[in-house]
Parts: sequence; C-alpha cells; structure tokens
Amino acid sequence: AQSVTQLGSHVSVSEGALVLLRCNYSSSVPPYLFWYVQYPNQGLQLLLKYTTGATLVKGINGFEAEFKKSETSFHLTKPSAHMSDAAEYFCAVSRYNAGNMLTFGGGTRLMVKP
Amino acid sequence: GEEVAQTPKHLVRGEGQKAKLYCAPIKGHSYVFWYQQVLKNEFKFLISFQNENVFDETGMPKERFSAKCLPNSPCSLEIQATKLEDSAVYFCASSPNQGGSTEAFFGQGTRLTVV
Repeated sequence: AQSVTQLGSHVSVSEGALVLLRCNYSSSVPPYLFWYVQYPNQGLQLLLKYTTGATLVKGINGFEAEFKKSETSFHLTKPSAHMSDAAEYFCAVSRYNAGNMLTFGGGTRLMVKP
Repeated sequence: GEEVAQTPKHLVRGEGQKAKLYCAPIKGHSYVFWYQQVLKNEFKFLISFQNENVFDETGMPKERFSAKCLPNSPCSLEIQATKLEDSAVYFCASSPNQGGSTEAFFGQGTRLTVV
C-alpha cells in the first residue's frame, strides 16, 4: 500500500521568499512521484514528476523537487515566491504496476503575502 | 480534443435523485480515471478504464455508483439515489498509456451538490 503525507495544510510566505512544501511518501516498491497544482475552481496541472534518473527534478513556473530515497521525501521548492503561486499543491505517488492510479496527499494551500 | 472535457461544470441534485457526469478524454488517450475530491483536499480514486474495459475499480463504492466508457461516446459516471455525502468535485483524467510514470491529464471537474 502507498500513502502520501504533506506536512502543513497551509503555508504562508511573503512575495520573494523561499517556498518549501513538504511531501513524504511510503511505498513498498520504487515509486513515481508527482506534484500537481490546483488553482481555484480548476483541475490539476502537473508541475513536475520524478520517475528515474536525476533526483533533482525541475518543473514549470520555477519549481523544483528533490527525490530523497533515504528520507522517503519529495519536497517542492521555489527560490522566490510570486503572488501567482498562490494555489493548492498536491503531492502524489503511483506505482509502476498500478497504471496511473495516483495516491494523493492531503494538499497544501500556499498563500503569498505582498 | 487537446484537453479533458468534463460536463456539466456544476450539478445540483436532491437527495435520492440520479446524477450523471460526463468526460471526454484527450483524443488518442486509452486510459481514463475518475477521482472524487471532497472538502477541497482529499482525492479518492474511484475507477479507471482501458478503452471501454474496466481496468481498476477498487475505489468504486459497491452501491449506487457505476461508470462506463463506450466507443465513440464520452465516458460517464452515474450515481443512483444520491446522498448528501456524495457532494464533491468529480475529476476525470486521461493518459496515453498505463505506465506509472506517465502523466495523467485532468479535466476541470464537475461539482456535484446534493441538497
């Protein structure tokens, strides 16, 4: 069984500050890891994903995440927050043998203060 | 089409009424997934299809929920005799193959409100 834990249901940062959204997972097999963003009344948009290879993954809008197997983590970062980054962020995991069925974390709402 | 199209965007049903939601996957995508999002956070996997065949239905409630993907028609998710607890946003996603590393593309969701 897989599970995803996102620490902090709400994160508030100032514009220009570092964004750090935490994600830890548990999986009995090597996972594939995803970060999705959801803007109000919208569907999910993929920010980035880790499958194999380089553990530091760069995504859209200046976001990146690092897969750390020893810590079972896949934290999302952005060096400088922008007002437009305010949204809900979801970490998700899938297994190679489970199709694309995603197991999601509970989400983190990012608020950006001017 | 180039995006997953879900209809309607909003649906209001009285308790006990039937609700039917539709999803047109991206053209060429063989896999379709339905997720239920409650309370703005928790996503629950419901069911997936490979073309018109059920691929994984481990998340589907045993009663009242059914889904289909028929050739040349939008996929559908139907809830018989809706209950208040069915109020949620239902997302459809599609992908070109079943590889776990493959991105799933999500529609904008259908917000079901049961009153």
